[in-house]
Amino acid sequence: GAGVSQSPSNKVTEKGKDVELRCDPISGHTALYWYRQSLGQGLEFLIYFQGNSAPDKSGLPSDRFSAERTGGSVSTLTIQRTQQEDSAVYLCASSLNSVNTEAFFGQGTRLTVV
Amino acid sequence: AQRVTQPEKLLSVFKGAPVELKCNYSYSGSPELFWYVQYSRQRLQLLLRHISRESIKGFTADLNKGETSFHLKKPFAQEEDSAMYYCALKGSSASKIIFGSGTRLSIRP
Repeated sequence: GAGVSQSPSNKVTEKGKDVELRCDPISGHTALYWYRQSLGQGLEFLIYFQGNSAPDKSGLPSDRFSAERTGGSVSTLTIQRTQQEDSAVYLCASSLNSVNTEAFFGQGTRLTVV
Repeated sequence: AQRVTQPEKLLSVFKGAPVELKCNYSYSGSPELFWYVQYSRQRLQLLLRHISRESIKGFTADLNKGETSFHLKKPFAQEEDSAMYYCALKGSSASKIIFGSGTRLSIRP
């Protein structure tokens, strides 16, 4: 079947606007992760879902960032009032469950805030 | 606190030379350790995990609990090994996966 799918692939937005990034995990995968990849910063953990619950949202940088997951499947990462420092590639990954832990990554969404 | 440290941002070696990408971690329990790789214009993908104890594309990594390290090694580098490599750690079963800052490996012909 299909791998992890993220949309849009690229997003250019004006400073101050809200954006929504979407992640479709592999069907049946219960664990879902969001990361931010910036030049020289590696992969910064944002939030982890197990099913629809988010047991760890410690990586969200500020209250402008939020995420939800519905039906144990699709997840949306929302950034409100975007700032230029939010520009990065946002990666989503899913794994079968918390025991079978290989993470499969999407192609990412490149967000540019101008 | 969980932490993964990759001290080298860039590692450049000649084709045929040995490669070692360093990874150190901090975690109070027994973590699961991984190496992920991202080739140019491709998705991040799993290279190997310590519980498998296998060699993938000639790469091996041994978990050293005493030194809290999980270095990635290959005896003879190939040009196709050029990529970005990330070390990652997962703690308890219901926890996030955290990544190091990555090492860019460049193999010179």
